[in-house]
Amino acid sequence: DTEVTQTPKHLVMGMTNKKSLKCEQHMGHRAMYWYKQKAKKPPELMFVYSYEKLSINESVPSRFSPECPNSSLLNLHLHALQPEDSALYLCASSQEEGRDTQYFGPGTRLTVL
Amino acid sequence: GENVEQHPSTLSVQEGDSAVIKCTYSDSASNYFPWYKQELGKGPQLIIDIRSNVGEKKDQRIAVTLNKTAKHFSLHITETQPEDSAVYFCAASNEDQFYFGTGTSLTVIP
Repeated sequence: DTEVTQTPKHLVMGMTNKKSLKCEQHMGHRAMYWYKQKAKKPPELMFVYSYEKLSINESVPSRFSPECPNSSLLNLHLHALQPEDSALYLCASSQEEGRDTQYFGPGTRLTVL
Repeated sequence: GENVEQHPSTLSVQEGDSAVIKCTYSDSASNYFPWYKQELGKGPQLIIDIRSNVGEKKDQRIAVTLNKTAKHFSLHITETQPEDSAVYFCAASNEDQFYFGTGTSLTVIP
């Protein structure tokens, strides 16, 4: 089973809202990732958790806050987003960070009004 | 860091014809090269991958070739079908992170 699940599938939020995206995998993978994807563009790496330790892409604004409650779960907390943050947010996991196959979830389509 | 270029950006083929997508990379330390297919409204799905100790890999109608000397790798799809229509992304990994190509939008015309 190579399934990564994400909820919700769609999310519409205002710029003052706080919301969270959730991701789960049961493949025993030790690395989990958040990517942002704009239309007709490749995924852009936002955060990596490897053995529950966070690596940050320093260009990601602080209004995005990741959380890894355990090795199977990954959350992305959203606060005070801007309309330009509207995108498809993808979660992925791999056995180890970097060199192993990454399996992607279906994504959350986020719209910020 | 790594730089991955992908060509063409769009590709239209008649059903039954072959399609070829090419990627080049810059970092000779890169050693893992996956290909993903992304259908509209879905996440990328791995379709085939190759490691640097192998020159070619095939899975039914899909094949990938790797030329380490020239630093390029290619995806070959034979006997294309309408359901092959999607955006395809190549990637290169140097054990640090994945570096994605810019994507190829493939349309298979029935």
